Amino acid sequence: SQELEQSPQSLIVQEGKNLTINCTSSKTLYGLYWYKQKYGEGLIFLMMLQKGGEEKSHEKITAKLDEKKQQSSLHITASQPSHAGIYLCGAELAGTASKLTFGTGTRLQVTL
Amino acid sequence: NAGVTQTPKFQVLKTGQSMTLQCAQDMNHNSMYWYRQDPGMGLRLIYYSASEGTTDKGEVPNGYNVSRLNKREFSLRLESAAPSQTSVYFCASSEALGPLAPSTDTQYFGPGTRLTVL
Repeated sequence: SQELEQSPQSLIVQEGKNLTINCTSSKTLYGLYWYKQKYGEGLIFLMMLQKGGEEKSHEKITAKLDEKKQQSSLHITASQPSHAGIYLCGAELAGTASKLTFGTGTRLQVTL
Repeated sequence: NAGVTQTPKFQVLKTGQSMTLQCAQDMNHNSMYWYRQDPGMGLRLIYYSASEGTTDKGEVPNGYNVSRLNKREFSLRLESAAPSQTSVYFCASSEALGPLAPSTDTQYFGPGTRLTVL
C-alpha cells in the first residue's frame, strides 16, 4: 500500500469552480512538498510546508498541513485551464532520513 | 541558470542493451537523486547522492548503477535493460548535505527521460 495516499486520483472541474486535493499518511510528515507536473514535462515546485497548522498561498493555490502533520490539502480557488495537470505531494516520512516519498498524483482537468 | 538538465529526453532500447542517463545541475547543490515514475506508483527513489563521492540506494535500486562524477553531474546506468524498466526517469537536486539533513531543502527536478525497453 502507498505510504502517502492522494485523493482523488483524478478530477474534472468546470472553469471557475473550487477544488481540493488531499494527501494523507499514517506517519508524521516532515517537509511536505506540493509539485505540479504538466503532461509529459518535469515537476514544478509549488510550495513546502513544515509546521503543524501551517498554511501557504501562491496566487489561487493554498496548501495546508494539519496540526498532527499527517494530512495536507491543496485548494485551488476559481480554477482556470492553466491549473490543469498532475499534482503530486511528496514528504519525508518519519524514519526515512531525508528521502522523499511521493503520492501517486491527482490528475486535474479543467473544462471550459 | 539552466537548473537541472537531463539527456536524452527520449530513448528506446532493446532488452539487454545498456545505456546511461545523464543529469547535471548548475545550482551548486550537494544532493542529487534519481527517481522513476510509473502509472499508479507515483515517484519512487532509485538512488541518491547526499554529497560528492557518496551514493546510496533508494527504494528500487535493482538493475541500476549510479555515478556521482562531480558535484554537478549524477548519472544513472542500466547495464542490461529489461521491459520492467520502461518508465519516465527524473533527476533532482537539493541543497541538503548528508543523509540526515533537515527536510527544509526543496528538490528541483529535471524535465525527465522517457525510456521504453522493447
